[in-house]
Amino acid sequence: AQKITQTQPGMFVQEKEAVTLDCTYDTSDQSYGLFWYKQPSSGEMIFLIYQGSYDEQNATEGRYSLNFQKARKSANLVISASQLGDSAMYFCAMSSLFGTGTSLTVIP
Amino acid sequence: NAGVTQTPKFQVLKTGQSMTLQCAQDMNHEYMSWYRQDPGMGLRLIHYSVGAGITDQGEVPNGYNVSRSTTEDFPLRLLSAAPSQTSVYFCASRRTGTYGYTFGSGTRLTVV
Repeated sequence: AQKITQTQPGMFVQEKEAVTLDCTYDTSDQSYGLFWYKQPSSGEMIFLIYQGSYDEQNATEGRYSLNFQKARKSANLVISASQLGDSAMYFCAMSSLFGTGTSLTVIP
Repeated sequence: NAGVTQTPKFQVLKTGQSMTLQCAQDMNHEYMSWYRQDPGMGLRLIHYSVGAGITDQGEVPNGYNVSRSTTEDFPLRLLSAAPSQTSVYFCASRRTGTYGYTFGSGTRLTVV
């Protein structure tokens, strides 16, 4: 069975600093995809970034990057130069399976 | 704007009532899914569809039915509402392959 684990219920980061949100996964599939989504306080879900299991390079999308370590089964999200608007819940997902989320607060 | 449209945004039901949550997308996405979001539990998959005429159960399907008669529409039916179905419901769609979901704005359902 597949599993997604986010062990950080809440994180704080100073504005303009970088922050890493942890995500580990478990699957017996050889081919799989890992996703990160953002949920602001307004409630909508926003797709941020995707990493395929066969991708050799770590995915990047603007200030978001995915630190993919296949052997360790981890897919951590790195947000660089944090902004106040980054305060939100962040969910890691593998295909249709979601983790429990990490609440990020950016401190001015 | 193209996207996933969910209605209604809010709904209060009495125990035992039935209702249908509507979901429509205009992006010609093959995959459509229904999730429920409860505090501390992330999003849990209720039902999903890989194309018109094809549906399957997710992690928490009991008490819910779906159908997919067209590519665009994927309604979720609550057969006999229970307080345990109080939740926020999200409909989502995506293309097959390496694409993330596009989510609807959600339906906040309260069963009293």
